[in-house]
Amino acid sequence: SQTIHQWPATLVQPVGSPLSLECTVEGTSNPNLYWYRQAAGRGLQLLFYSVGIGQISSEVPQNLSASRPQDRQFILSSKKLLLSDSGFYLCAWSGSGERNIQYFGAGTRLSVL
Amino acid sequence: AQSVTQLGSHVSVSEGALVLLRCNYSSSVPPYLFWYVQYPNQGLQLLLKYTTGATLVKGINGFEAEFKKSETSFHLTKPSAHMSDAAEYFCAVSTFTGGGNKLTFGTGTQLKVEL
Repeated sequence: SQTIHQWPATLVQPVGSPLSLECTVEGTSNPNLYWYRQAAGRGLQLLFYSVGIGQISSEVPQNLSASRPQDRQFILSSKKLLLSDSGFYLCAWSGSGERNIQYFGAGTRLSVL
Repeated sequence: AQSVTQLGSHVSVSEGALVLLRCNYSSSVPPYLFWYVQYPNQGLQLLLKYTTGATLVKGINGFEAEFKKSETSFHLTKPSAHMSDAAEYFCAVSTFTGGGNKLTFGTGTQLKVEL
């Protein structure tokens, strides 16, 4: 069966520090991968998605970037965090068989202080 | 562009009562619709989906939803609420783009179940 892992689960970082959040998927190949951010009371916002290695689409201009160095690995990064980057970050995947269904990881709670 | 509106950011019901969470969508193409549930500090879990075919879809934990094209709605219901149903619920519509799909979410409805 397929599983998705996100780490760390929680992270407290100072303003101006770098960020790296990692997401990996097991049990499938060539998944579509997604990063969402959930801010309090604002629902989920799609940040990036990827349909293959090295292929990244950005949905919202921001202080963050994403990379996909391997088929089942998706990384969210920042060179210098802002206070407004605080939130709950969720990674998701969809499979080659049913591209329309996304499955989510447990999320990373990021607090920028 | 697709959009989703969830009426009521907070809904409170008594245990055993009917649960009704409202979702209206806007889509320029036949939509794929989803309901997800999120428990505190956890990821989203798929409750049910509508793609094509039968307009009444059943999901996990006794939930169901009915796709009504004429009303552009996809309301989520459960006949009898349980304490364990307390969570946040998100309605979403899917858009296909460039070989992949994107989900547009509503802002969520927090369900509270009281004794």
